[in-house]
Amino acid sequence: QVQLVESGGGVVQPGGSLRLSCAASGFIFSDYGMHWVRQTPGKGLEWVAFIPSDGSYQFDADSVRGRFTISRDNYKNTLYLQMNRLRPEDTAVYYCVYDTGRGDIWGQGTMVTVSS
Amino acid sequence: DTVMTQSPDSLAVSLGERATINCKSSQSILYSSNNKNYLAWFQQKPGQPPKLLIYWASTRESGVPDRFSGSGSGTDFNLTISSLQTEDVAVYYCQQYYTAFRTFGQGTKVEI
Repeated sequence: QVQLVESGGGVVQPGGSLRLSCAASGFIFSDYGMHWVRQTPGKGLEWVAFIPSDGSYQFDADSVRGRFTISRDNYKNTLYLQMNRLRPEDTAVYYCVYDTGRGDIWGQGTMVTVSS
Repeated sequence: DTVMTQSPDSLAVSLGERATINCKSSQSILYSSNNKNYLAWFQQKPGQPPKLLIYWASTRESGVPDRFSGSGSGTDFNLTISSLQTEDVAVYYCQQYYTAFRTFGQGTKVEI
């Protein structure tokens, strides 16, 4: 069955960096686009970024543009989110999301806390 | 951006009774070339990720009980739980996937 396992979350100071990873299995990773979505108690669910199956481009939300970079390694079946210049408002649970084309399947999430 | 608006924000329903949640999109999410509505419904329980219940506005995901049904087209959609069970207590979200830039409703908390 599909498994999406995120890692790399933690506590970081404002202005710091983190790299999230998502190990995918149970489907042909290189055939599908992938997303990162985050969830905060205050703002609910917020889409962060998308990368197509071949990694040829990315779309990202205005709130993270220029700070976050989504990437993927189709040989390692792994999705990444490089997060730089982190702000307190980036505090959230970050989910790796598999775009099946007919609906999205979510990982368990990893918590990122930006605080001094 | 396509804004998704759910109503109500919360809903208390007796066991065995019907629950209906509405979701409106600020623009049509019906793709004319395949006549599909790019609307999904998710269920989220505390400490868990959102779980896909319904896609194409009305197609149940494998393993989802048939008391869950979706309806609507264009900009107006509903999720109905025909006979509420205790395990259905959760927050429900609608989402448009018409574009890669996903947007979500604010969520509806369903309680008994």
